[in-house]
Amino acid sequence: SYVLTQPPSVSVAPGKTARITCGGYNIGSKRVHWYRQKPGQAPELVIYYDNDRPSGIPERFSGSNSGSTATLTISRVEAGDEADYYCQVWDTSYDVLFGGGTKLTVL
Amino acid sequence: QVQLQESGPGLVKPSETLSLTCTVSGGSTSSYYWTWIRQPPGRGLEWIGYIYYSGSTNYNPSLQSRLSISVDTSKNQFSLRLRSVTAADTAVYYCATYMVVGATGWFDSWGQGTLVTVSS
Repeated sequence: SYVLTQPPSVSVAPGKTARITCGGYNIGSKRVHWYRQKPGQAPELVIYYDNDRPSGIPERFSGSNSGSTATLTISRVEAGDEADYYCQVWDTSYDVLFGGGTKLTVL
Repeated sequence: QVQLQESGPGLVKPSETLSLTCTVSGGSTSSYYWTWIRQPPGRGLEWIGYIYYSGSTNYNPSLQSRLSISVDTSKNQFSLRLRSVTAADTAVYYCATYMVVGATGWFDSWGQGTLVTVSS
């Protein structure tokens, strides 16, 4: 089965850069999408198709995908970025798959 | 942007059927793919399945034997039925739009979610 692996937690100081990874076999051959979920809220799409941003998502959010790792990068981190982040792909055998999620803590 | 709202019982007894409806506004169910996703308390997201407006479906293999998703374009609604539920089906259930482009897809509009507890 295809598995997406995310670190359970990432911590970053305000104003610094956070990088959240999503690992999977040859994930660079797939398109990766990212969601942010704040406590008590529904998830929200922040990056689609590896590195495209929906309207309303600031340019501080970017994505990359190569080899066995996709990365969500959040520049100039703010307290409001504290949330759980999930990666997601489509796989030919298992259709829609989510990573286990990463809790971003702003110190 | 499309708005979605889940509705249905918040409590279901074990072995019974969980039924939820998602009402769509600001868009038509006669387009797009429509999907259900769930999240057990304190855990991650799990894709349940999706339906195209034409009625074709695709389900999570782990739920397929108990699952049915349907769409009513006249009411601008789509629905989920999950049979023979157990405590493991306790979760917040979200409906969402699923945008398909080529060999991939993503969820770009979500409902607020509804908690369904399976308990006697």
